[in-house]
Amino acid sequence: GAGVSQSPSNKVTEKGKDVELRCDPISGHTALYWYRQRLGQGLEFLIYFQGNSAPDKSGLPSDRFSAERTGESVSTLTIQRTQQEDSAVYLCASRRGTGDEKLFFGSGTQLSVL
Amino acid sequence: QKEVEQNSGPLSVPEGAIASLNCTYSDRGSQSFFWYRQYSGKSPELIMFIYSNGDKEDGRFTAQLNKASQYVSLLIRDSQPSDSATYLCAVKRRGSTLGRLYFGRGTQLTVWP
Repeated sequence: GAGVSQSPSNKVTEKGKDVELRCDPISGHTALYWYRQRLGQGLEFLIYFQGNSAPDKSGLPSDRFSAERTGESVSTLTIQRTQQEDSAVYLCASRRGTGDEKLFFGSGTQLSVL
Repeated sequence: QKEVEQNSGPLSVPEGAIASLNCTYSDRGSQSFFWYRQYSGKSPELIMFIYSNGDKEDGRFTAQLNKASQYVSLLIRDSQPSDSATYLCAVKRRGSTLGRLYFGRGTQLTVWP
């Protein structure tokens, strides 16, 4: 596609429910990232996928968070047993490949946990 | 101390003025420095990046880097109302993978006509 596509754009859920967020990167981009942006805070790195290599999960805040990506295609971020502090905008970004540092961000998923 | 610090603003300048946005970072070994613009409700968009000490100019935008002072700034000349947005400073630390960036909270800029 022309840009990074994320769905849904908004998600309201009840505390304790599981949610799944989707990201479709720019075609041909080998690297994919998930970031979180809490209200009034900077973007926080969550996880990074590069091709078929093992993902860098070091930014995931707890074991309730997980993400998958098959090859160089769609990624899903799953949050289990959501808590109110999980409320944030979840941004996906992709990058073309080795040596190119430019990140292209999607428009994000606004998650609200009631 | 946060990895990346920015004055949250808001910064308000008249149309045609120079807007100056500042950022400091804590890791002296940081290698790459980025400025993203984020319009309200939209995704961040890269506008400038700089690796070496000194100035880098691109149109109305100039990024300035001073590694000794751990300071990076963004100047916007001839500011326009369309420049009104939140500007995010981001840093790649030494040893971290490409794309893994540390972001400041952002500075909200308003350019009034």
